[in-house]
Amino acid sequence: EAGVTQFPSHSVIEKGQTVTLRCDPISGHDNLYWYRRVMGKEIKFLLHFVKESKQDESGMPNNRFLAERTGGTYSTLKVQPAELEDSGVYFCASSKNRGQETQYFGPGTRLLVL
Amino acid sequence: KQEVTQIPAALSVPEGENLVLNCSFTDSAIYNLQWFRQDPGKGLTSLLLIQSSQREQTSGRLNASLDKSSGRSTLYIAASQPGDSATYLCAVRPGADKLIFGTGTRLQVFP
Repeated sequence: EAGVTQFPSHSVIEKGQTVTLRCDPISGHDNLYWYRRVMGKEIKFLLHFVKESKQDESGMPNNRFLAERTGGTYSTLKVQPAELEDSGVYFCASSKNRGQETQYFGPGTRLLVL
Repeated sequence: KQEVTQIPAALSVPEGENLVLNCSFTDSAIYNLQWFRQDPGKGLTSLLLIQSSQREQTSGRLNASLDKSSGRSTLYIAASQPGDSATYLCAVRPGADKLIFGTGTRLQVFP
């Protein structure tokens, strides 16, 4: 069974540009989560999808971030326009059910905004 | 507001030692607690998941305990090996969904 995959693995862009990150969860996992780790800080929650619906987006930093999960399969996270403070590692995780199950994490996308 | 703290921030030990990594959290109302391992440049690998009703979980040389009332968890690593070198992260789940992470303990085991 394939794990959570993320694309790209690395992205270097200039301030003001747009970047789109993609996450493919484990097949059959309805729950998809986005997290990020900025330099020197702990990993923080961004948002949670149940199938195609946003269940909780309380961690999204501002309206420059847009997450979608059309069809309830893969998800994209777009940053537009990117700022220097958006640099960090963006992780995606998935789980079959909510609550008591393990969240399985992808390898992350390392974003550097110059 | 839930806060998760991990002590120590870094640890360097010779191979063969038994280790204890500590995690504390401020709000005891949690669904569960999960320990992860992260290797440099890689994603997070789940090690152990302890439900709020459980006291401990074991997997191989790893044992994690949970004392919810005091807001503490420990990860015990027996007979450490160089391959155990990584960053260990503790995360609590205050509700049904999101995880709240600590800043991690960076472990180095030297031969």
